[in-house]
Amino acid sequence: DTEVTQTPKHLVMGMTNKKSLKCEQHMGHRAMYWYKQKAKKPPELMFVYSYEKLSINESVPSRFSPECPNSSLLNLHLHALQPEDSALYLCASSQDFRVYEQYFGPGTRLTVT
Amino acid sequence: GENVEQHPSTLSVQEGDSAVIKCTYSDSASNYFPWYKQELGKRPQLIIDIRSNVGEKKDQRIAVTLNKTAKHFSLHITETQPEDSAVYFCAAAPNGAGNKLTFGGGTRVLVKP
Repeated sequence: DTEVTQTPKHLVMGMTNKKSLKCEQHMGHRAMYWYKQKAKKPPELMFVYSYEKLSINESVPSRFSPECPNSSLLNLHLHALQPEDSALYLCASSQDFRVYEQYFGPGTRLTVT
Repeated sequence: GENVEQHPSTLSVQEGDSAVIKCTYSDSASNYFPWYKQELGKRPQLIIDIRSNVGEKKDQRIAVTLNKTAKHFSLHITETQPEDSAVYFCAAAPNGAGNKLTFGGGTRVLVKP
């Protein structure tokens, strides 16, 4: 399996809801990333996990809570989001944090109402 | 931190012509420069990359050149085809900071048949 998969593809949530995004890879990669991408903009790094430990948090608001239960799985827990958090959330992975090539999942299109 | 600027923001070419996208970076410690292609509604796909110990790299119709002294790198697409229409992002990663990519603003390429 040479792909990064993400679920759900689309998510609509209210500002008081709690939801989670899921990312999975079976390439044996030990670094996983969450990015946020607004329309017509480049991806912006949010979090990096290396060997299941959080190694980078790019000053992301606490309403976004990442979790890496095992080496294949990465979650992003969402709570009390704002409409401006509506975006495409991309997951990526690389062999490890020292290996540069990152491979992206298809993303979850999130709309906060 | 690193700052990557990308030009032009849009590029329209006739099928069969060449397309060139240029990026400049600010951090002289950067040593990895990937290019991603993102079709509408799809994931960013790594299409080619170059490391600072190499001046040029080719893969079929795609080539990337790097000028470390001037801190700029370019993507060249020859014999463009309609399926080359997409948004292209350059990025840079500094040595010693692992895999923390900084993206350019993107170039929307339209190949007219």
